[in-house]
Amino acid sequence: DIQMTQSPSTLSASVGDRVTITCRASQSISSWLAWYQQKPGKAPKLLIYKASSLESGVPSRFSGSGSGTEFTLTISSLQPDDFATYYCQQYNTYLTFGGGTKVEIK
Amino acid sequence: QVQLVQSGAEVKKPGASVKVSCKASGYTFSSYAIHWVRQAPGQRLEWMGWINADNSNTVYSQKFQGRVTITRDTSASVDYMYLSSLTSEDTAVYYCARSRYSNGWTDFDHWGQGTPLIVSS
Repeated sequence: DIQMTQSPSTLSASVGDRVTITCRASQSISSWLAWYQQKPGKAPKLLIYKASSLESGVPSRFSGSGSGTEFTLTISSLQPDDFATYYCQQYNTYLTFGGGTKVEIK
Repeated sequence: QVQLVQSGAEVKKPGASVKVSCKASGYTFSSYAIHWVRQAPGQRLEWMGWINADNSNTVYSQKFQGRVTITRDTSASVDYMYLSSLTSEDTAVYYCARSRYSNGWTDFDHWGQGTPLIVSS
């Protein structure tokens, strides 16, 4: 199985901050990576697919980059609605998710 | 608009089975695969399996092989996930999620609201 490791597990930030979350795969997954946002009691919401493609309707402050084994999700200017948990997901071989990064208010 | 509406919360005893439904609307049901993903309390998302839109073939995670069955009722636009031999470790929220394509490994562009399952004696 391909293991996905996210860092950090928790991140404290303020509104307006630039935030970066990292996801590493245990082997190359090319660009077959998605990012989701999840709020408490809700289903995940797709933000980014194929490593850097912005899902329709998602604000442009979200961006993704990377290929192979290392990927990043960047929020250019954190907004109040962005405090949530973020997960990466690989879909190169079967499907596995990262452990999540909780973005908290500083 | 695309909607996936799941059946309600379940409480089961250890050893029992559960069947969760996922009713789709707002798109051509036969054009997209549906996957099932679960999330135990405080844990990461865990993929369980999927059903191919083209021919209703299924692929299951090895972890759940033999215990999970996913079926499709195309006439009703409903998918079902059946999980047997439940233990307390199966306590989780179960989600159906729409694949971007009819088959293959993909991201999920729409999700159901989740079905909580509690397994307790």
